[in-house]
Order: sequence, then structure tokens, then C-alpha cells
Amino acid sequence: AQSVSQHNHHVILSEAASLELGCNYSYGGTVNLFWYVQYPGQHLQLLLKYFSGDPLVKGIKGFEAEFIKSKFSFNLRKPSVQWSDTAEYFCAVLGGHFGNEKLTFGTGTRLTIIP
Amino acid sequence: ETGVTQTPRHLVMGMTNKKSLKCEQHLGHNAMYWYKQSAKKPLELMFVYSLEERVENNSVPSRFSPECPNSSHLFLHLHTLQPEDSALYLCASSREEGTEAFFGQGTRLTVV
Repeated sequence: AQSVSQHNHHVILSEAASLELGCNYSYGGTVNLFWYVQYPGQHLQLLLKYFSGDPLVKGIKGFEAEFIKSKFSFNLRKPSVQWSDTAEYFCAVLGGHFGNEKLTFGTGTRLTIIP
Repeated sequence: ETGVTQTPRHLVMGMTNKKSLKCEQHLGHNAMYWYKQSAKKPLELMFVYSLEERVENNSVPSRFSPECPNSSHLFLHLHTLQPEDSALYLCASSREEGTEAFFGQGTRLTVV
């Protein structure tokens, strides 16, 4: 069975600080990886995704994530955060055999940016 | 706006009530999902429908009953719930089962 671990439950940063949110997954086969973001009072939306190719993926709003296969990791980064980045961030992995794929989410990391 | 709409946004119900959650998607997707998000837990997949047929039920108690009358609509019928069922219920859809999912805003359910 696949699983996703997000190490930080709550991260508090000042504006302009650099951000890295950890995500590790367990699954031995080919995976697709996602980061979703949920802003206060809004729905989950896709931040970025990795399917194949360049392991460094760039998403919306200046976010990027790096897939490191040997570490089973897909950490989310942003060089300089803004107050508007305050939200909950979910890492997710899509894995499984063709026709039987499963999308599994981590528990989420709440990010609070202090102005 | 993701194209996936859930109603109501908030619901408070007693343990003896019967209520339904509604989800509608305008994306032409063939797969729809119900997820449950409880505090400090990962999103839990509850039900999967593909082409209006239920393909997965992750051991969800029978007090939750899904209905998919067509590919654009998904319901979750609730009856005799427990306080521990209080959570955020998210609906999602995807082009095919297992592809990228688009989520609704969720229904915050409180069982009293």
C-alpha cells in the first residue's frame, strides 16, 4: 500500500523567508506526484505536478518541487514567501497498476506567513 | 472556480437526521469521488464512481450512501451519523479514474 508523509504539521515564517515543505512517499512503482494548496475558505487547487522528465518542476505562484527518486521525496520550495501564501499544503501521490491507480494524500502542512 | 460545485457549504445535523450532500461538475469528466478530511488525518477516499458505476468503496459505514444518477452529479446521503463523522467532505472529479483530480470547496459537516 502506498502512503505519503508530510513531516511538518504547522510552519510559521516571516515574509521573504525561504520555504521548504517536506514530502516523502512509499511506493515501489512508477508514481505521479502532486502538491495541492487550500487557501482559507477556498477549495483545494493544484499547485504543481510531476509526471516524468525534468525532476525539478515549476508550478504557479513561484513554487517549485524536486522529485528525488532515490529518497522517495518530493519537497516543495519557494525562495521568498508572501503573506498570501498562508494556506494548507497537501502532497499527493498517484500510484498503482494501470487501471487501478490510487491517489493518496498526506496529512497536510499548515503554513502561516507573518507580515 | 474549478468546475466542481458542492452544496451545502456547511451542514449541522443531529444523529437521527437524514441529509444529503450534492456535488456537480461541468468538466465533462467521467469519474467522481467522495473524500473525507478529518483533522490531523490524510484525506480518506470514500467512494469512486467511473461512468456512473461505483468502482470502489473503501469500507465506508453504511450510514453513508452514495448515488451517481449521471456523470455530472454525485450525492452522498447521510443517515444516523455519529459525532465522529464530523469532518470536511470533499467531492472531486477527473477525466478518467486515476487521472488528475479537480476538487470542490467541500461541505463542512458537524454532527451534534
